[in-house]
Amino acid sequence: GAVVSQHPSRVICKSGTSVKIECRSLDFQATTMFWYRQFPKQSLMLMATSNEGSKATYEQGVEKDKFLINHASLTLSTLTVTSAHPEDSSFYICSAKQQDPGGANVLTFGAGSRLTVL
Amino acid sequence: QQQVKQSPQSLIVQKGGISIINCAYENTAFDYFPWYQQFPGKGPALLIAIRPDVSEKKEGRFTISFNKSAKQFSLHIMDSQPGDSATYFCAAALNSGNTPLVFGKGTRLSVIA
Repeated sequence: GAVVSQHPSRVICKSGTSVKIECRSLDFQATTMFWYRQFPKQSLMLMATSNEGSKATYEQGVEKDKFLINHASLTLSTLTVTSAHPEDSSFYICSAKQQDPGGANVLTFGAGSRLTVL
Repeated sequence: QQQVKQSPQSLIVQKGGISIINCAYENTAFDYFPWYQQFPGKGPALLIAIRPDVSEKKEGRFTISFNKSAKQFSLHIMDSQPGDSATYFCAAALNSGNTPLVFGKGTRLSVIA
């Protein structure tokens, strides 16, 4: 089945530094990837839609200069949290879209990246 | 505005019992309804999904029941096992899933022996 690899799985950084999270579709090409944020015991909150070769579409309230998204190839999207602060500590999850045999678009999620900003 | 309402928030079921999680949606244009299972510290994994042209879909111990007129769908886990203990999210999307998924708030299921 489809596999989405996310790296790193855990990262701890100092306040003010930037952190890059990678999301790769291993066995399929994904023109569209989504980035979600999840707080403990809460649902997934869509941050942005990443489109290969074009600018990402950010959801309302998500700072595009804070969360930089680059979808440079059909198998890789990156999320960079710039000038991270403790309130950015969260679980970030990416997902990649592909079509199933019935024509529906199926989302496969990565394992997530736990960011802790000290 | 919450477009997909999920209940209950938490659920405890005896081993071998039936777990039932319900979701209601508002947008009648939704045409793709997946359920995801998430274990702690992991990303969600697609469990089963349904399109509105059928009222029920079964895969192993997991069944989705879909009521288009009531705008409701539910997940039934038969013969629940301790390994089923996880958080379950229902979701909905437009255009056969071509738009971002809208998630419910999740249900924490605990299956006890």
